[in-house]
Amino acid sequence: EDKVVQSPLSLVVHEGDTVTLNCSYEVTNFRSLLWYKQEKKAPTFLFMLTSSGIEKKSGRLSSILDKKELFSILNITATQTGDSAVYLCAVEISSNTGKLIFGQGTTLQVKP
Amino acid sequence: DGGITQSPKYLFRKEGQNVTLSCEQNLNHDAMYWYRQDPGQGLRLIYYSQIVNDFQKGDIAEGYSVSREKKESFPLTVTSAQKNPTAFYLCASSTASGRADTQYFGPGTRLTVL
Repeated sequence: EDKVVQSPLSLVVHEGDTVTLNCSYEVTNFRSLLWYKQEKKAPTFLFMLTSSGIEKKSGRLSSILDKKELFSILNITATQTGDSAVYLCAVEISSNTGKLIFGQGTTLQVKP
Repeated sequence: DGGITQSPKYLFRKEGQNVTLSCEQNLNHDAMYWYRQDPGQGLRLIYYSQIVNDFQKGDIAEGYSVSREKKESFPLTVTSAQKNPTAFYLCASSTASGRADTQYFGPGTRLTVL
């Protein structure tokens, strides 16, 4: 059975801290791994990773994929209260369907 | 404004009733998806459609039905056969199949069964 597991499930930090969110996966036909940020409603796309070892970066957020060890991390540096959200990891499986398997999500709370 | 609209935002239903959730997109996307999200869990795929008049079951299709008569619309019916329908329902659409990074989500409908 395809599965995606995120850790930790929840995290509380203070502004300025650096956090690392983890995502491991076991799927039969890996195509890509995606990270989303969800604040109350619709998830918004952060990164898509397809190749091992290549860091994707956007401002204070960065992510990397290890296809040998089957995991990805999402780093957030100098956290702000606006980073408080649920962070979802998803793996796209098979070709030409866009079908995604999601992890449980990590709830991040950043305190002032 | 291009995007995905879902209605209603909140929906209450009595046990044993069928209810239909609306999803409309004006992005000219070919593929559309329905997900369910329960508290503390990620999204789970209910149904998806890659083209008009065609759709496939996702991982948790039991108790749900869909139709895709128009490219812009992909309504989801939650039937009385769904044993635990209270959840947050998200609709998404994407461009050509296989482009997961183009998957764009609507604002969601929160369904509560009384």
